[in-house]
Amino acid sequence: AIQLTQSPSSLSASVGDRVTITCRASQGISSALAWYQQKPGKAPKLLISDAFSLEDGVPSRFSGSGSETDFTLTISSLQPEDFATYYCQQFDGYPITFGQGTRLDIK
Amino acid sequence: QITLKESGPTLVKPTQTLTLTCTFSGFSLSTSGVAVGWIRQPPGKALEWLALIFWDDDKRYNPSLRSGLTITKDTSKNQVVLTMTNMDPVDTATYFCAHRPPITYSNYFDYWGQGALVTVSS
Repeated sequence: AIQLTQSPSSLSASVGDRVTITCRASQGISSALAWYQQKPGKAPKLLISDAFSLEDGVPSRFSGSGSETDFTLTISSLQPEDFATYYCQQFDGYPITFGQGTRLDIK
Repeated sequence: QITLKESGPTLVKPTQTLTLTCTFSGFSLSTSGVAVGWIRQPPGKALEWLALIFWDDDKRYNPSLRSGLTITKDTSKNQVVLTMTNMDPVDTATYFCAHRPPITYSNYFDYWGQGALVTVSS
Protein backbone atom coordinates (compact mmCIF):
# COMPACT_ATOMS: atom_id res chain seq x y z
CA ALA A 1 0.00 0.00 0.00
CA ILE A 2 1.09 3.56 -0.70
CA GLN A 3 1.91 5.35 2.53
CA LEU A 4 1.35 9.07 2.94
CA THR A 5 3.35 10.97 5.53
CA GLN A 6 2.21 14.45 6.47
CA SER A 7 4.37 17.02 8.16
CA PRO A 8 4.13 18.59 10.54
CA SER A 9 1.68 16.50 12.59
CA SER A 10 0.58 19.65 14.36
CA LEU A 11 1.10 23.33 13.83
CA SER A 12 0.31 26.49 15.73
CA ALA A 13 -0.18 29.66 13.73
CA SER A 14 -1.83 33.06 13.90
CA VAL A 15 -4.53 34.68 11.83
CA GLY A 16 -2.91 36.15 8.74
CA ASP A 17 0.00 33.70 8.68
CA ARG A 18 1.02 31.77 5.61
CA VAL A 19 1.00 28.05 6.32
CA THR A 20 2.34 25.10 4.35
CA ILE A 21 1.56 21.44 5.02
CA THR A 22 3.53 18.71 3.29
CA CYS A 23 2.40 15.25 2.19
CA ARG A 24 4.98 12.73 1.03
CA ALA A 25 4.02 9.53 -0.79
CA SER A 26 6.02 6.32 -0.45
CA GLN A 27 6.00 5.96 -4.24
CA GLY A 28 5.14 8.13 -7.19
CA ILE A 29 1.41 8.85 -7.59
CA SER A 30 1.49 11.38 -10.43
CA SER A 31 -1.05 14.05 -9.39
CA ALA A 32 -3.56 11.66 -7.82
CA LEU A 33 -3.81 13.50 -4.52
CA ALA A 34 -6.64 15.21 -2.70
CA TRP A 35 -6.69 17.46 0.36
CA TYR A 36 -9.46 17.60 2.95
CA GLN A 37 -10.27 19.86 5.89
CA GLN A 38 -11.98 18.39 8.93
CA LYS A 39 -13.39 20.25 11.90
CA PRO A 40 -14.22 18.52 15.20
CA GLY A 41 -17.33 16.38 15.01
CA LYS A 42 -17.77 17.03 11.29
CA ALA A 43 -17.17 15.12 8.09
CA PRO A 44 -14.11 15.93 6.00
CA LYS A 45 -14.55 18.59 3.34
CA LEU A 46 -12.83 18.24 -0.01
CA LEU A 47 -10.61 21.24 -0.71
CA ILE A 48 -8.36 20.20 -3.58
CA SER A 49 -8.33 17.33 -6.08
CA ASP A 50 -5.70 16.24 -8.60
CA ALA A 51 -3.02 17.88 -6.45
CA PHE A 52 -3.91 21.46 -7.36
CA SER A 53 -7.54 21.75 -8.55
CA LEU A 54 -9.48 23.89 -6.14
CA GLU A 55 -13.03 22.69 -5.53
CA ASP A 56 -15.91 25.04 -6.21
CA GLY A 57 -16.58 27.34 -3.27
CA VAL A 58 -13.20 26.83 -1.62
CA PRO A 59 -11.48 30.16 -0.93
CA SER A 60 -8.58 31.04 -3.19
CA ARG A 61 -6.26 31.38 -0.19
CA PHE A 62 -6.01 27.58 -0.37
CA SER A 63 -3.70 26.14 -2.99
CA GLY A 64 -2.07 22.81 -3.74
CA SER A 65 1.04 21.86 -5.60
CA GLY A 66 3.37 18.95 -6.24
CA SER A 67 3.52 15.70 -8.15
CA GLU A 68 4.76 12.13 -7.82
CA THR A 69 5.95 11.92 -4.19
CA ASP A 70 5.96 15.46 -2.77
CA PHE A 71 2.91 17.62 -2.32
CA THR A 72 2.03 20.75 -0.42
CA LEU A 73 -1.12 22.48 0.76
CA THR A 74 -0.68 26.19 1.32
CA ILE A 75 -3.00 28.62 3.05
CA SER A 76 -1.84 32.07 2.06
CA SER A 77 -3.42 34.06 4.88
CA LEU A 78 -4.99 32.10 7.73
CA GLN A 79 -8.53 32.96 8.69
CA PRO A 80 -10.21 31.99 11.97
CA GLU A 81 -12.34 29.37 10.22
CA ASP A 82 -9.23 27.60 8.86
CA PHE A 83 -8.20 26.14 12.20
CA ALA A 84 -8.90 22.45 11.69
CA THR A 85 -7.21 19.16 10.83
CA TYR A 86 -6.05 18.60 7.26
CA TYR A 87 -5.66 15.24 5.51
CA CYS A 88 -4.14 14.25 2.19
CA GLN A 89 -5.44 11.22 0.30
CA GLN A 90 -3.96 9.37 -2.65
CA PHE A 91 -6.08 7.75 -5.34
CA ASP A 92 -3.40 6.50 -7.67
CA GLY A 93 -4.17 2.90 -6.74
CA TYR A 94 -5.80 0.58 -4.25
CA PRO A 95 -6.02 0.65 -1.37
CA ILE A 96 -6.96 4.30 -1.19
CA THR A 97 -4.92 5.77 1.65
CA PHE A 98 -4.94 8.89 3.80
CA GLY A 99 -2.18 10.72 5.59
CA GLN A 100 -2.17 10.79 9.37
CA GLY A 101 -3.42 14.36 9.48
CA THR A 102 -2.05 17.77 10.39
CA ARG A 103 -3.75 19.62 13.20
CA LEU A 104 -3.67 23.38 12.77
CA ASP A 105 -4.51 25.39 15.84
CA ILE A 106 -4.35 28.94 17.01
CA LYS A 107 -1.10 30.24 18.48
CA GLN B 1 -27.98 18.70 -4.29
CA ILE B 2 -26.11 15.57 -3.20
CA THR B 3 -26.68 14.33 0.31
CA LEU B 4 -25.72 11.11 2.09
CA LYS B 5 -26.67 9.81 5.50
CA GLU B 6 -25.43 6.81 7.45
CA SER B 7 -27.68 4.73 9.67
CA GLY B 8 -27.21 1.67 11.84
CA PRO B 9 -26.57 0.56 15.39
CA THR B 10 -24.59 2.76 17.73
CA LEU B 11 -23.46 -0.18 19.87
CA VAL B 12 -22.47 -3.69 18.86
CA LYS B 13 -20.96 -6.49 20.89
CA PRO B 14 -17.62 -8.12 20.06
CA THR B 15 -17.94 -10.91 17.45
CA GLN B 16 -21.26 -9.52 16.18
CA THR B 17 -21.86 -8.36 12.62
CA LEU B 18 -22.24 -4.65 11.91
CA THR B 19 -24.61 -3.53 9.17
CA LEU B 20 -24.55 0.11 8.13
CA THR B 21 -26.76 1.71 5.51
CA CYS B 22 -25.93 4.78 3.47
CA THR B 23 -29.02 6.46 2.04
CA PHE B 24 -28.32 9.08 -0.56
CA SER B 25 -30.06 11.56 -2.83
CA GLY B 26 -29.10 13.88 -5.64
CA PHE B 27 -27.42 11.24 -7.78
CA SER B 28 -28.00 7.73 -9.07
CA LEU B 29 -25.72 4.75 -8.61
CA SER B 30 -26.75 3.63 -12.07
CA THR B 31 -24.97 6.61 -13.65
CA SER B 32 -21.73 5.69 -15.36
CA GLY B 33 -18.66 6.50 -13.27
CA VAL B 34 -20.44 7.08 -9.99
CA ALA B 35 -19.36 5.25 -6.85
CA VAL B 36 -19.99 5.34 -3.12
CA GLY B 37 -17.32 4.59 -0.56
CA TRP B 38 -17.06 3.91 3.15
CA ILE B 39 -14.39 5.49 5.30
CA ARG B 40 -13.99 5.22 9.05
CA GLN B 41 -12.24 7.22 11.74
CA PRO B 42 -11.46 5.88 15.23
CA PRO B 43 -11.78 8.51 17.95
CA GLY B 44 -8.90 10.98 17.70
CA LYS B 45 -7.29 9.11 14.82
CA ALA B 46 -6.91 9.36 11.07
CA LEU B 47 -9.26 8.42 8.28
CA GLU B 48 -9.19 4.88 6.90
CA TRP B 49 -10.78 3.84 3.61
CA LEU B 50 -12.80 0.63 3.81
CA ALA B 51 -14.60 -0.10 0.56
CA LEU B 52 -15.94 1.34 -2.70
CA ILE B 53 -18.79 0.23 -4.95
CA PHE B 54 -19.21 1.46 -8.53
CA TRP B 55 -22.25 1.96 -10.73
CA ASP B 56 -21.44 -1.28 -12.59
CA ASP B 57 -21.24 -3.24 -9.28
CA ASP B 58 -17.46 -3.36 -9.33
CA LYS B 59 -16.31 -3.51 -5.71
CA ARG B 60 -13.01 -2.67 -4.08
CA TYR B 61 -11.93 -3.39 -0.53
CA ASN B 62 -9.09 -2.42 1.73
CA PRO B 63 -7.01 -5.61 1.94
CA SER B 64 -5.57 -4.62 5.33
CA LEU B 65 -8.94 -5.39 6.88
CA ARG B 66 -10.14 -8.87 7.51
CA SER B 67 -12.14 -10.62 4.85
CA GLY B 68 -15.47 -10.10 6.60
CA LEU B 69 -16.18 -6.82 4.81
CA THR B 70 -18.95 -6.65 2.23
CA ILE B 71 -20.38 -3.71 0.29
CA THR B 72 -23.60 -3.91 -1.69
CA LYS B 73 -25.97 -1.50 -3.37
CA ASP B 74 -29.68 -1.19 -3.95
CA THR B 75 -30.04 1.23 -6.81
CA SER B 76 -33.83 1.35 -6.60
CA LYS B 77 -33.66 2.46 -2.96
CA ASN B 78 -30.63 4.75 -3.39
CA GLN B 79 -28.79 2.82 -0.70
CA VAL B 80 -25.39 1.28 -0.13
CA VAL B 81 -24.91 -1.24 2.65
CA LEU B 82 -21.67 -2.13 4.43
CA THR B 83 -21.41 -5.24 6.57
CA MET B 84 -18.48 -6.09 8.83
CA THR B 85 -18.38 -9.44 10.54
CA ASN B 86 -16.66 -10.39 13.78
CA MET B 87 -16.52 -6.87 15.18
CA ASP B 88 -13.79 -6.03 17.68
CA PRO B 89 -13.35 -3.09 20.06
CA VAL B 90 -10.65 -1.74 17.72
CA ASP B 91 -13.43 -1.24 15.16
CA THR B 92 -14.95 1.49 17.33
CA ALA B 93 -15.08 4.48 15.01
CA THR B 94 -17.19 7.00 13.18
CA TYR B 95 -18.20 5.47 9.87
CA PHE B 96 -18.70 7.78 6.90
CA CYS B 97 -20.15 7.11 3.49
CA ALA B 98 -19.12 9.38 0.65
CA HIS B 99 -19.74 10.08 -3.03
CA ARG B 100 -17.05 9.56 -5.61
CA PRO B 101 -17.49 11.87 -8.61
CA PRO B 102 -18.08 10.30 -12.05
CA ILE B 103 -14.68 11.32 -13.35
CA THR B 104 -12.19 8.83 -14.70
CA TYR B 105 -9.33 8.02 -12.32
CA SER B 106 -10.89 10.09 -9.56
CA ASN B 107 -11.23 7.96 -6.46
CA TYR B 108 -11.64 10.86 -4.07
CA PHE B 109 -14.77 11.94 -2.23
CA ASP B 110 -16.57 15.20 -2.87
CA TYR B 111 -19.65 14.71 -0.70
CA TRP B 112 -19.75 13.03 2.68
CA GLY B 113 -22.40 11.91 5.11
CA GLN B 114 -22.41 13.24 8.64
CA GLY B 115 -20.95 10.02 10.00
CA ALA B 116 -22.25 7.38 12.39
CA LEU B 117 -20.41 6.54 15.60
CA VAL B 118 -20.28 2.82 16.25
CA THR B 119 -18.98 1.54 19.58
CA VAL B 120 -17.92 -2.07 19.97
CA SER B 121 -18.23 -3.16 23.58
CA SER B 122 -19.66 -5.98 25.61
